[in-house]
Amino acid sequence: EPEVTQTPSHQVTQMGQEVILRCVPISNHLYFYWYRQILGQKVEFLVSFYNNEISEKSEIFDDQFSVERPDGSNFTLKIRSTKLEDSAMYFCASSPGQGSGNTIYFGEGSWLTVV
Amino acid sequence: AQSVAQPEDQVNVAEGNPLTVKCTYSVSGNPYLFWYVQYPNRGLQFLLKYITGDNLVKGSYGFEAEFNKSQTSFHLKKPSALVSDSALYFCAVRDIEAAGNKLTFGGGTRVLVKP
Repeated sequence: EPEVTQTPSHQVTQMGQEVILRCVPISNHLYFYWYRQILGQKVEFLVSFYNNEISEKSEIFDDQFSVERPDGSNFTLKIRSTKLEDSAMYFCASSPGQGSGNTIYFGEGSWLTVV
Repeated sequence: AQSVAQPEDQVNVAEGNPLTVKCTYSVSGNPYLFWYVQYPNRGLQFLLKYITGDNLVKGSYGFEAEFNKSQTSFHLKKPSALVSDSALYFCAVRDIEAAGNKLTFGGGTRVLVKP
């Protein structure tokens, strides 16, 4: 069964460093997302991406965050200057099409620990 | 705005007994509703969704959920719980009339099935 894959599974970084989290969405999907889950808290929407541009973003997704689809398969989340409060599990996800009834499929997540 | 409430942080049930995980939602328009499960140190796995049609939706691993518009609820149920059902369960909603495809998640309910 096709799945969303994410790398790395766990990354430890120093405060102020740049981090890039990588994702390979399901191959025929058109919408891509990043969500995050701070330990013990709910899953929060960060950003959605469609047709090579951001289609929606939350207030969490400020100027230190950026997303990119550098080629036909990868989808990346960059955090420019990490802060302690960025420590969380980051989930990449994808969905097949534009209809909002489409299921969003999540990857296994990337644990980011900022020290 | 769209929101989800899962009123129980944890549900304990004996193996073989019925399992219910509660979810209520709030949307401006009509909802699409989803249930996801998260096993320890894993990503979010899709269980089932309500889009339209029958109010009783059947999903993976013997789970089902009933959409109740008058009570704005979408409770997850399983007739006979297994120890392997122990996990964190998330309800999520998407407002059909809202722009974008983002899901809004509830806080999650931890299910513990005891042998």
